[in-house]
Amino acid sequence: EIVMTQSPATLSVSPGERATLSCRASQSISNNLAWYQQKPGQTPRLLIYGASTRATGIPARFSGSGSGSEFTLTISSLQSEDFAVYYCLEYYNWPPWTFGQGTKVEIK
Amino acid sequence: QVHLVQSGAEVKKPGASVKVSCDASGYTRYFIHWVRQAPGQGLEWMGIINPTGDTTNYARKFQGRVSMTRDTSTSIVYMELNSLRSDDTAVYYCATSDSPANWYFALWGRGTLVTVSS
Repeated sequence: EIVMTQSPATLSVSPGERATLSCRASQSISNNLAWYQQKPGQTPRLLIYGASTRATGIPARFSGSGSGSEFTLTISSLQSEDFAVYYCLEYYNWPPWTFGQGTKVEIK
Repeated sequence: QVHLVQSGAEVKKPGASVKVSCDASGYTRYFIHWVRQAPGQGLEWMGIINPTGDTTNYARKFQGRVSMTRDTSTSIVYMELNSLRSDDTAVYYCATSDSPANWYFALWGRGTLVTVSS
């Protein structure tokens, strides 16, 4: 089974700054990676699929990159509503589907 | 906008079973997944059921304890978890993609809180 490792566990960022989140797969997953945002008490929200394609309605400040086993989610200029937990999901070698453990983006 | 409508919160005693439903009307051609999230923890995939309801695949961790079914006449998908333990306390989500050909989770139910407590 593929293991997804996200880093860092917590990222402290000031509003307006750039945030860079990483997700590493234990083996190559091509570009079969999605990113989700989850705020407290809310359902996960799809941000990115196919490693780099923004989902419908997602602001351009969110971008995804990478392929193979190394992936990055970048938030170019953090807004107050972006402070949340972010998860990556691999959907290459299913089943199972595997999530990373999450990165919490908090206000610095 | 919520596309998958789940049943309400449940409180169960250890050793009991819980059956959570997900109204997947409009998604009759889609695979439906179940994902759970324990309090303060991450997301955990539990299993998947196909559009016709005759094929399932469960995460190894839940095999023998979980059953996913699908009533194609009502478009309701069910997830039953048996032999509940306190660490099964979690929010249980049904989820699906935005196209039958895609395999990531694009659409989620609001979640069903299952509390296991004596």
